[in-house]
Amino acid sequence: NAGVMQNPRHLVRRRGQEARLRCSPMKGHSHVYWYRQLPEEGLKFMVYLQKENIIDESGMPKERFSAEFPKEGPSILRIQQVVRGDSAAYFCASSPPFGTDTQYFGPGTRLTVL
Amino acid sequence: AQSVTQPDIHITVSEGASLELRCNYSYGATPYLFWYVQSPGQGLQLLLKYFSGDTLVQGIKGFEAEFKRSQSSFNLRKPSVHWSDAAEYFCAVVTAAGNKLTFGGGTRVLVKP
Repeated sequence: NAGVMQNPRHLVRRRGQEARLRCSPMKGHSHVYWYRQLPEEGLKFMVYLQKENIIDESGMPKERFSAEFPKEGPSILRIQQVVRGDSAAYFCASSPPFGTDTQYFGPGTRLTVL
Repeated sequence: AQSVTQPDIHITVSEGASLELRCNYSYGATPYLFWYVQSPGQGLQLLLKYFSGDTLVQGIKGFEAEFKRSQSSFNLRKPSVHWSDAAEYFCAVVTAAGNKLTFGGGTRVLVKP
């Protein structure tokens, strides 16, 4: 049973470009979470999605950031017009569809904005 | 809102010595508590979790943690550390509603030979 998959593992963008980060949850998991880890800091929640629905986006910056989890395909975290402060590690986690349960993390995407 | 505090930013321990990492949480009801480990450049691996029941929880890699409601703590312990335990450790809490994890700031563990 494959774990949570994220790609790319490393992404370099210039200021003003767009970044797209992909996350495929574990098989059988329908809940996806995105977290951001800034340098030398802990992880901060960004958004919680189920298939075709955003459940909680209280941690998402108000501008330039969006997330989706379509019926088919991976979850996408999209950052438009990136700035240097967006440089961070972005982690995706998934959990099963029922009850409160453990979140399993992917390896992360490390975004560097030049 | 819930919060998690890990008072120790860095801990250095000799190989073979015991290790204890502190975690304090702030939450009105009984929280669900987790410890994750992150090796350099890697994702997070779950060490153990506490939902209810026995307050002493066993995890992988020889780790255990004890939930103490009176102290709002969930400290992680290992009797004898190995060089491979050098990593960053994160304590986290989730509400009974079961969505977002709130993480502590992490404790970086260095293991001396």
